[in-house]
Amino acid sequence: KNQVEQSPQSLIILEGKNCTLQCNYTVSPFSNLRWYKQDTGRGPVSLTIMTFSENTKSNGRYTATLDADTKQSSLHITASQLSDSASYICVVAPTGFQKLVFGTGTRLLVSP
Amino acid sequence: GAVVSQHPSWVICKSGTSVKIECRSLDFQATTMFWYRQFPKQSLMLMATSNEGSKATYEQGVEKDKFLINHASLTLSTLTVTSAHPEDSSFYICSARDSGPTSGANVLTFGAGSRLTVL
Repeated sequence: KNQVEQSPQSLIILEGKNCTLQCNYTVSPFSNLRWYKQDTGRGPVSLTIMTFSENTKSNGRYTATLDADTKQSSLHITASQLSDSASYICVVAPTGFQKLVFGTGTRLLVSP
Repeated sequence: GAVVSQHPSWVICKSGTSVKIECRSLDFQATTMFWYRQFPKQSLMLMATSNEGSKATYEQGVEKDKFLINHASLTLSTLTVTSAHPEDSSFYICSARDSGPTSGANVLTFGAGSRLTVL
């Protein structure tokens, strides 16, 4: 069964600190993996998208990594800001146009 | 970049009434759009796949007669919650796949969501 698991479920960090969110998946065959940021009451916004051959991608203070062999991904946030407080969702796309598989998300709270 | 507009952003209605939510792709054509439902502190749950010019494909457990989907053009899909009840209160989100020749496969853009509250 295609699944995406994220950890931790929630996280509180101090402003300015770094943090890393984890995503493990069992989706096969694999096409790409995306990280989204979802602010409360808003739709998800894409942060990064990585294909099978990519193992790292950055978007400002966000850096995503992918290990297709172990089927793990991480999202590293550097120098966190209060505006980083949101849910971060890992989404894995099978090949072709099959349904995306959503993780349950990590709720991040950046505290002043 | 690709933009998906969703309207209304929030709506309050009385039990038994119907509510329509629109999802528009503003600068690209989308032969396929998706409708999701999200409960508090949970991830998005796919409700149905909306295909331009044909019937929507509903996920298991989603009542097609209750959640009517129309995808009449390449830039607009609508979700109508018929005879809404309090248990239908939720956050509804749409997404659209760019079907243009320069788009990447399976690239989705999400709308901002619509918060439905049924009294």
